[in-house]
Amino acid sequence: EVQLVESGGGLVQPGGSLRLSCAASGFTFSSYWMHWVRQAPGKGLVWVSRLNIDGSITSYADSVKGRFTISRDNAKSTLYLQMNSLRAEDTAVYYCTRDGIIGREGYNWDYWGQGTLVSVSS
Amino acid sequence: QTVVTQETSFSVSPGGTVTLTCGLSSGSVTTSHYPGWYQQTPGQAPRTLIYNTKTRSSGVPDRFFGSILGNKAALIITGAQADDESHYFCVLFMGSGIWVFGGGTKLTVL
Repeated sequence: EVQLVESGGGLVQPGGSLRLSCAASGFTFSSYWMHWVRQAPGKGLVWVSRLNIDGSITSYADSVKGRFTISRDNAKSTLYLQMNSLRAEDTAVYYCTRDGIIGREGYNWDYWGQGTLVSVSS
Repeated sequence: QTVVTQETSFSVSPGGTVTLTCGLSSGSVTTSHYPGWYQQTPGQAPRTLIYNTKTRSSGVPDRFFGSILGNKAALIITGAQADDESHYFCVLFMGSGIWVFGGGTKLTVL
C-alpha cells in the first residue's frame, strides 16, 4: 500500500526555519517525481515545489522561491522541504504528493499524504 | 500573472449533472496544460479525480469526466450523489515546471 507521511510541522516565529519530511512507503520512491502543495486555513490548494527522481530538477512557486528548498534522500525514501525566512503567510497544511508515472514527469498526482501543519506566528 | 479561474460555488440536484470549469484570466486552457481535478472534503487530504485532462484516477467512478470545453477545462459529474458535496480544485501546468491551482469550487448537492 502506497503511503506518504508528512512530519516536521509546528509553531515557528517569523524569520525562523523548519524542515518538513515526507516518508514514503509501499512503492519504489526513487522512481517517482514528487511535489509539495500547501493549504492555508480555510483557503485553497497552492502548489509549492516539485522535484525529479534524482533531485537534479527543481521548480518553485514565486512565493517561496529563494526561501524554500526541496530535496530527497532516495536511500531513506524521504522527501524534504527546507523552509527558511518563514512568514505569517506561509502558515498552512503542507502536503506531499507523488507524480504517478514511473521515471518521468507524468502530470498525474495520484497519492497524497495527510499533511503537516506549519504555523508562523510570534 | 495569469490566474486560474473556477466558479466559487455551484449547486446540483441529486441525480443531476453539473459541469465545473477551469479557465485562465488570459488565454485558453488546452491539453498542454495537463489539467488535473481534485476533490477535497473539510479536514481531509485532496483526492485525485482526473489527470492529464480526461484520465480518471484509479478507483474514481465513471460518473466523473474530464474534458476541454471551449477555452476551459471541465469536470463533468453525472448522477450527482450526496457524497459528491465537496470542494473541487483544478490545477494547470504553466510550463517551466510551474503549476497553478484554481481557487476551488464548493459544490452543494441539494
